[in-house]
Amino acid sequence: EVQMVESGGDLQQPGGSLRLSCVASGFTFSSHALSWVRRAPGKGLEWVSSISGSGDNTYYADSVRGRFTISRDNSKNTLFLQMNDVRAEDTALYYCAKERGYHGSGKDYYYMDVWGKGTTVTVSS
Amino acid sequence: QSVLTQPPSVSGAPGQRVTISCTGTSSNIGAGFDVNWYQQLPGTAPKLLIYGNTNRPSGVPDRFSASRSDTSASLAITGLQAEDEADYYCQSSDNRVTGSKMFGGGTKLTVL
Repeated sequence: EVQMVESGGDLQQPGGSLRLSCVASGFTFSSHALSWVRRAPGKGLEWVSSISGSGDNTYYADSVRGRFTISRDNSKNTLFLQMNDVRAEDTALYYCAKERGYHGSGKDYYYMDVWGKGTTVTVSS
Repeated sequence: QSVLTQPPSVSGAPGQRVTISCTGTSSNIGAGFDVNWYQQLPGTAPKLLIYGNTNRPSGVPDRFSASRSDTSASLAITGLQAEDEADYYCQSSDNRVTGSKMFGGGTKLTVL
């Protein structure tokens, strides 16, 4: 069974740091891009960051670029999100998701086919 | 404010058909990027509902279908059931920033 399990969410003061982890199982980890997606209280889903299977390519939403860093350890089937200088607006349930890709019409396309249950980050003084 | 625009809410009675629109721009859906749809039941993680504009993953009932044209996409749910009550999100990519993804603002479906 394909599974993604997040951890590391906590209460943190503004300006502090947190490191989220996501352990995956049931698939060839290094073959798939992965993403972090969050949902703030009363809001909708927001894409945060993605990383390629090798880890060579990373992508970020404008709202977190320069503060968050996505990385992965393919030897441990684990995805990370280092969150620095956190703000109140980063308060959310953070999900990790496995991506599947396909190529067509000259572009690469991706969708998120497996999601974890999420880990809660609260930023408050 | 999301770049992909969805109606905040839709509703329908059991057995009815409802549609949820997702309006983008020339830099995302209009640029040829595919649209995916996700369902989030209350208190649960999002679930992939439709990928590549029109494709259903195995296990998703054929009551769910989707289409895409120009700068917009649409999700249709027929034979509405109580368990369909959830938040629905469209998702695509944008050519202004390589590798970026985006979700619509989400639509709350209420089954009357």
